[in-house]
Amino acid sequence: DTEVTQTPKHLVMGMTNKKSLKCEQHMGHRAMYWYKQKAKKPPELMFVYSYEKLSINESVPSRFSPECPNSSLLNLHLHALQPEDSALYLCASSQPGTGADYGYTFGSGTRLTVV
Amino acid sequence: KNQVEQSPQSLIILEGKNCTLQCNYTVSPFSNLRWYKQDTGRGPVSLTIMTFSENTKSNRRYTATLDADTKQSSLHITASQLSDSASYICVVSALVAGNMLTFGGGTRLMVKP
Repeated sequence: DTEVTQTPKHLVMGMTNKKSLKCEQHMGHRAMYWYKQKAKKPPELMFVYSYEKLSINESVPSRFSPECPNSSLLNLHLHALQPEDSALYLCASSQPGTGADYGYTFGSGTRLTVV
Repeated sequence: KNQVEQSPQSLIILEGKNCTLQCNYTVSPFSNLRWYKQDTGRGPVSLTIMTFSENTKSNRRYTATLDADTKQSSLHITASQLSDSASYICVVSALVAGNMLTFGGGTRLMVKP
């Protein structure tokens, strides 16, 4: 299995809703990432988990809450989002460590719309 | 500051024609360079990955080159197909803990019949 699977593919939520994005990989990767991508822009790093521990938080607002329950799963919990948070949310995985990113793989993304 | 610049920003070509996309980077210390293809609303898919010692790498109709001295890379697409219409993103990885990636702004390619 060489894929990163993200669910759901599309999500529409209100500003008062609570929802979660899920990401799963079975490649044995121990680093997992969340990115946010706006239209016609490159992906922006949000969070990095290394060995199931949060290692990087790129000053993301607290309405985004990541969780890594085990080495294969990564969640992004959403609460009280704003319309400007509408974007494509990408999950990725790789091996951690310097220069060990040859297997860096992206999921297909979740298209999030906040209304 | 690590940066990756791509040109052109957008390109329109006719089906069957060839094209070349450019990438210049100032990422240090350099680890590797990737070209990704991204269809609208989908995640990036890796086309090639090259390390410092590699000059050329091919994947079907895609050929990437790397000049580590001038810090330039190119992606050549041969005999373009309608399905090649997508954004092509150059991504450079720095040899630091965390495998931080620096993304280029992408080239949006449209192949017309």
